[in-house]
Amino acid sequence: AQSVTQLGSHVSVSEGALVLLRCNYSSSVPPYLFWYVQYPNQGLQLLLKYTTGATLVKGINGFEAEFKKSETSFHLTKPSAHMSDAAEYFCAVRAQAGTALIFGKGTTLSVSS
Amino acid sequence: SAVISQKPSRDICQRGTSLTIQCQVDSQVTMMFWYRQQPGQSLTLIATANQGSEATYESGFVIDKFPISRPNLTFSTLTVSNMSPEDSSIYLCSVEGPGQESYNEQFFGPGTRLTVL
Repeated sequence: AQSVTQLGSHVSVSEGALVLLRCNYSSSVPPYLFWYVQYPNQGLQLLLKYTTGATLVKGINGFEAEFKKSETSFHLTKPSAHMSDAAEYFCAVRAQAGTALIFGKGTTLSVSS
Repeated sequence: SAVISQKPSRDICQRGTSLTIQCQVDSQVTMMFWYRQQPGQSLTLIATANQGSEATYESGFVIDKFPISRPNLTFSTLTVSNMSPEDSSIYLCSVEGPGQESYNEQFFGPGTRLTVL
């Protein structure tokens, strides 16, 4: 069975600082990995995904994530936080196409000026 | 990509009643999924619905409580039956991306915010 663990339910950074949101997965097969963002009172938006190929994945809004099989991790980073990045971030895993995404518990990102 | 609409967007219901949530997709999709997001929580998969077959429910969810219909490749309904305040959540419809470009992606509807009094 697949599962996702997001370390840190709440992360606070200053504007301009590095953003690092941690995600570790458990999967019996090579996983597909995703990061979604949810702004207050809005729907889910895909930030980026890893399926196959290059392990460093670039997404929207300057975010990127690196798939590290040896560490079973897929941490999300952004070099410089912006106030508009404040939101809930979810890491998700699926075992194969045709199966549903399994979500982590989410990490709330706060950005202060 | 896929554009998903849900009706109603929100509702306030009385304990013991039922609510049916509709999910409409702008393209034909094989896989549709229903999730629940309780206040301040993550998304939990309720069931997977394929057209022409019975929905497959996750542990902790049963058909009597959450009956699902999937009459065609663009539409599905989820009913929340005999509601209690613990059913107050956002219910989201999701589909696997159609076509090669969005293969392996899941798209989400805007959600139905349900409050049970």
